[in-house]
Amino acid sequence: DGGITQSPKYLFRKEGQNVTLSCEQNLNHDAMYWYRQDPGQGLRLIYYSQIVNDFQKGDIAEGYSVSREKKESFPLTVTSAQKNPTAFYLCASSIRLAHNEQFFGPGTRLTVL
Amino acid sequence: DQQVKQNSPSLSVQEGRISILNCDYTNSMFDYFLWYKKYPAEGPTFLISISSIKDKNEDGRFTVFLNKSAKHLSLHIVPSQPGDSAVYFCAASDSGGGADGLTFGKGTHLIIQP
Repeated sequence: DGGITQSPKYLFRKEGQNVTLSCEQNLNHDAMYWYRQDPGQGLRLIYYSQIVNDFQKGDIAEGYSVSREKKESFPLTVTSAQKNPTAFYLCASSIRLAHNEQFFGPGTRLTVL
Repeated sequence: DQQVKQNSPSLSVQEGRISILNCDYTNSMFDYFLWYKKYPAEGPTFLISISSIKDKNEDGRFTVFLNKSAKHLSLHIVPSQPGDSAVYFCAASDSGGGADGLTFGKGTHLIIQP
């Protein structure tokens, strides 16, 4: 079955700790994205990657970092510099960067205590 | 400044009736529009899309209308069913810009009343 997986579904961390969220896709898509959703807000773009070993900041990249060492994987690290890390994080992919339709993973709910 | 606006945070519709969700945009470079449906604690799923060269696209119970001069699009669901209760996000892209993904609205929570 092709798709995007994110793990874990729920994640709890203490304030001041870095945490890495996993995103894997087996759709053979070149482009991958990380979004954040807060209550009453739309999806806001954190980082995106056009191809392996390339990534660009989105609208709200501060306090986050990513890597794209493999086509299938695009992990997101939420660092201690992120002031409001508690949110629902969504990973997505598309065939290529300019391709409009994005497919989303199930999301990870991060709660920082 | 929000480039994609969904001005109704929520909408309640009786089962069997038509649901109309609205979306406005400000960026005239947007040329492709999508609707996503999202259940709580799940990722959005693609519903229907429309290119700016069209003014209507239909897929089963779902129809999207685009009015470019008014920079407005709407999603019609008819007849509405209980399983349609979800948050619906409007999204837009500038294909020519080729850049950073989709721009999303804040979503409209559709509630289908039995």
